[in-house]
Amino acid sequence: DAKTTQPTSMDCAEGRAANLPCNHSTISGNEYVYWYRQIHSQGPQYIIHGLKNNETNEMASLIITEDRKSSTLILPHATLRDTAVYYCIVRGGSEKLVFGKGTKLTVNP
Amino acid sequence: GAVVSQHPSRVICKSGTSVKIECRSLDFQATTMFWYRQFPKQSLMLMATSNEGSKATYEQGVEKDKFLINHASLTLSTLTVTSAHPEDSSFYICSGGDAEETQYFGPGTRLLVL
Repeated sequence: DAKTTQPTSMDCAEGRAANLPCNHSTISGNEYVYWYRQIHSQGPQYIIHGLKNNETNEMASLIITEDRKSSTLILPHATLRDTAVYYCIVRGGSEKLVFGKGTKLTVNP
Repeated sequence: GAVVSQHPSRVICKSGTSVKIECRSLDFQATTMFWYRQFPKQSLMLMATSNEGSKATYEQGVEKDKFLINHASLTLSTLTVTSAHPEDSSFYICSGGDAEETQYFGPGTRLLVL
C-alpha cells in the first residue's frame, strides 16, 4: 500500500504557481520523498526527490517540513503542459516504488 | 535524466498468442528493472522486479508462467505475455534505476488482445 496521502484533484491557472501537498506521516528516517508525474497515455516522468532538505531543479521545488511528515511540490509557473497526475512516493534506498492514486492537476488557460 | 525505451509502443494480437515487450536503458546500466501494469483510470501496479542474470521476483497474484521476464543484460529486460487473453489488455510500463537508484520509466506499451 502507498504510504502517502494526496488530494484527488487540483486546479491551477496558467502562469501561476501550483502547490501540490502530500502527507507521509509514517515516513522512516532513511526514506526519501519522490515525485513523479504521468501525462495521459505516457510513462511516469521523474520530477524531484529529497530526504529532509528542500530541493530545487529545473522542473520544480520540493519543500519538506522539518518533521518530514509532509511535503509540497511547487511548479513555479504552471503551463498547460503540466496537466498530469502527480504522484508522491515514499521510498527507502533501492526499494520498489509503490504508486498511490496521485493528484490530478489541471492547469486552466 | 536517464532514458528508457520500450518496444513496441502499441501492439494488437489475437487471443492465445504471445507478445514480447522490450525495455532498454539507453544511457545507463540497470541491474534491476521493474515491470508495471496500468488499467484505465487506475494507478500503476507493480508486476515484477527483473534482476540481471537471475530470476525475476513477482508480486503476489502475478503469474510467473504467464508473464515471462528475461533480464539478459544490464541494458535490456523483456516481458513476454504468454497465451494472451482480452483481460491482459493493458498499458505495460518498465522502469530502470541509475547509480543513485532514481527510477526512470519507459514510455509504455499498450497491449490490446482481441
